[in-house]
Amino acid sequence: DGGITQSPKYLFRKEGQNVTLSCEQNLNHDAMYWYRQDPGQGLRLIYYSQIVNDFQKGDIAEGYSVSREKKESFPLTVTSAQKNPTAFYLCASGRGNSGNTIYFGEGSWLTVV
Amino acid sequence: AQKVTQAQTEISVVEKEDVTLDCVYETRDTTYYLFWYKQPPSGELVFLIRRNSFDEQNEISGRYSWNFQKSTSSFNFTITASQVVDSAVYFCALSEPSNTGKLIFGQGTTLQVKP
Repeated sequence: DGGITQSPKYLFRKEGQNVTLSCEQNLNHDAMYWYRQDPGQGLRLIYYSQIVNDFQKGDIAEGYSVSREKKESFPLTVTSAQKNPTAFYLCASGRGNSGNTIYFGEGSWLTVV
Repeated sequence: AQKVTQAQTEISVVEKEDVTLDCVYETRDTTYYLFWYKQPPSGELVFLIRRNSFDEQNEISGRYSWNFQKSTSSFNFTITASQVVDSAVYFCALSEPSNTGKLIFGQGTTLQVKP
């Protein structure tokens, strides 16, 4: 099936540890995005990538890192520098042009314990 | 600056009632796109509709309809004869002017449809 796959769905992390969230798409989309959602709030953009080996910071990039070595993959690392990492993380992809629809994965819940 | 406002935080209706979710946006662009997404309890955002700024025709899809009014910068979403399965968080979004495909989201409206 075509779509966007995020893993894991649920993740617990100890303070001080880095954790990587996986995002894979088979829609042949050029652009990929990571959004963060906090309870009762909208989505905020962390990072985005419009082409392989290139990515840009979004509105809340501090404490996060990404890579885009393959068109299909855009993993997000939540580093220990992220002060409040507990949140719901959504990966999305699209063609990358203004106005194109972006499609989302099922999300990953990260809890810091 | 671009901004999307969904003033209704939570709405609760009884099944079969009609309900309208409001969305007001701010942009200085003349060409822009508006979107609605549905987020059921499972968490995934499901795309519902995309509208460009040059097309003010209202759209109907089954029980869903959208009213786009540039004069009031609004893009409201109405569900007719609501059902329990409509319970979800609904997000309105606006395209950023940069050619990146990025979207600016509103805070979301939580709709609860009671049987």
